Parts: sequence; structure tokens; C-alpha cells
Amino acid sequence: GAVVSQHPSRVICKSGTSVKIECRSLDFQATTMFWYRQFPKQSLMLMATSNEGSKATYEQGVEKDKFLINHASLTLSTLTVTSAHPEDSSFYICSASAGRGTGELFFGEGSRLTVL
Amino acid sequence: GIQVEQSPPDLILQEGANSTLRCNFSDSVNNLQWFHQNPWGQLINLFYIPSGTKQNGRLSATTVATERYSLLYISSSQTTDSGVYFCAVERRGYSTLTFGKGTMLLVSP
Repeated sequence: GAVVSQHPSRVICKSGTSVKIECRSLDFQATTMFWYRQFPKQSLMLMATSNEGSKATYEQGVEKDKFLINHASLTLSTLTVTSAHPEDSSFYICSASAGRGTGELFFGEGSRLTVL
Repeated sequence: GIQVEQSPPDLILQEGANSTLRCNFSDSVNNLQWFHQNPWGQLINLFYIPSGTKQNGRLSATTVATERYSLLYISSSQTTDSGVYFCAVERRGYSTLTFGKGTMLLVSP
């Protein structure tokens, strides 16, 4: 299957700082990438959809000014959590699809964010 | 939005036992995937199965799209099968995956 790589896998930061998480498709070009969030012992919730070269589409209830998404190339999407607070602590997972819509989705390893 | 219900929510098996996990969904779908989330959080693709039956080693899956359900079969379970199994669907006309709440499987030696 296709390989999606996420970095960093773990990050601890102080409240008020910003954190950037990278998601790369290593062996295919991803026209569409998705960012999910997972709280402990819960399911994955879609945060936003990013399409290469255009603005991200955010799900209802997700603050676009807090969770900045950039998909500047066909192999890289970034999620920046701005002015992080302890309630932003979570597991963030990206996924990618090679075509329009989803087709089969492949997921990164996830990034565990802890905000102190 | 589309509803995705997985059952059972928790399952404990002895090594070597077989099990069936179920995923019901409330609307027509273009895509259905089964994933295994390991203890480190990594989502492993098991099956991309919007319809029909597929097998991969000890695992197999069947989706009956007209009746809006999918089944994941695990045979001769091993301790390494432990983890959370998620079903996720892409509703027809949309382009995003919606996840069920998962089945937490524990296989004991």
C-alpha cells in the first residue's frame, strides 16, 4: 500500500506556543489530504480536508484560525496548532488519497500533542 | 450525516478463537474500509471493500452494500491481533470518511 509519513510523532509544548505537524505522501502524489483528531478511547473525528493549491475545508465546530492547514505541494500538508492550550492535547492523524474524492485512504503514524 | 455503528464494542478472546465484527451504516456508500489501530496509534489498512468479499490470510471481510453492513472475520486469533478495529465509510456523494466507534479486541494467551 501507499506510505504516508507524519512528523513529529510526539510533541510537548507550553501553553500559548504554536506547533506544526507535517504529513507527507512518500510514494504517491496526494491531491487530497485529511486531518483527523482522536481523543483517548474515542474514534477519529475529521477536522478538515485539504486540497493541493486551494484552501482547506473545515468541519463544523473546528476553528480554522486555530488549526491552520497548508497543502502547498502534492506530497506535503501541514497542520499548525496556533496558541495551543491544554484542551488541544490530542492525537492528530493525517491521511491521504491519490485521487479526487477518497478512494482508499492511507494514514500516517499520528502525532501525539501534549500542551502543558 | 451518515451513522456508522460497530458491534460489539469490546471483545475478549482466547488465542486461537474465531470472531466476527460487524459494521452497520445508515446510507449508501462509495467506500468502506476496515482498519486495525495498534497500541501505538498507527492505523493499519486491512480492507478496502465497498462491496463483495475479500480475504487476506486469517482475515476476511464481506460487505453487503444493499443491506448496509460489513463483517470482518478473524480466524485463529493471535495476541498480536489485539487493538481497536475501526470501520469507516464514505457516504455516496461525499468525499470524506466517517468512522465508527470501533471494537476493542483483546486476545489473551
